[in-house]
Amino acid sequence: GEDVEQSLFLSVREGDSSVINCTYTDSSSTYLYWYKQEPGAGLQLLTYIFSNMDMKQDQRLTVLLNKKDKHLSLRIADTQTGDSAIYFCAEKGGGADGLTFGKGTHLIIQP
Amino acid sequence: KAGVTQTPRYLIKTRGQQVTLSCSPISGHRSVSWYQQTPGQGLQFLFEYFSETQRNKGNFPGRFSGRQFSNSRSEMNVSTLELGDSALYLCASSLGERFPSYEQYFGPGTRLTVT
Repeated sequence: GEDVEQSLFLSVREGDSSVINCTYTDSSSTYLYWYKQEPGAGLQLLTYIFSNMDMKQDQRLTVLLNKKDKHLSLRIADTQTGDSAIYFCAEKGGGADGLTFGKGTHLIIQP
Repeated sequence: KAGVTQTPRYLIKTRGQQVTLSCSPISGHRSVSWYQQTPGQGLQFLFEYFSETQRNKGNFPGRFSGRQFSNSRSEMNVSTLELGDSALYLCASSLGERFPSYEQYFGPGTRLTVT
């Protein structure tokens, strides 16, 4: 079945850029998403990209998609302490099932 | 616009009991999806309802069921609870005109603990 892989942890200094990476296996993916989850909370949709796009920018967030390598990344510019959270990559494949999520990347901000 | 609301937020049940969780989608959204989140398995898709019909289903046993009402509110039910059902249950709503709508908005979840 479809699989989405992310590294578990990323540590960055406040003010630096954070780059969270994700790989997926479903070549029929239509949409790819980034969600943020803070402790005790649900998932917040940050941004998404359609599979025929290479890049999408939304304020401090930049999503890059390499469809050939099935690689998705989320860049957060000027990382702040409020960005500390778990970031989930998710994909919607060509099948009818719901979103397939990665295990999440814990973003740790160092002062 | 109010977001997705889920009730109750926390629940403690005993093995063998059954439980019903409720989700109210964003006004105007007609699709409701349910997900289970556990530390071991991560986020897994349970099922999706659109216009009172189950449109898609994930790989969960028949003990997990759901329904949707004419006002798009949805409930999910878990019967004969097992310890492994302890999880955060998340509901997501979307416009749902064609599956998938590309923007799914999640509620805060219901934390179910089975003892």
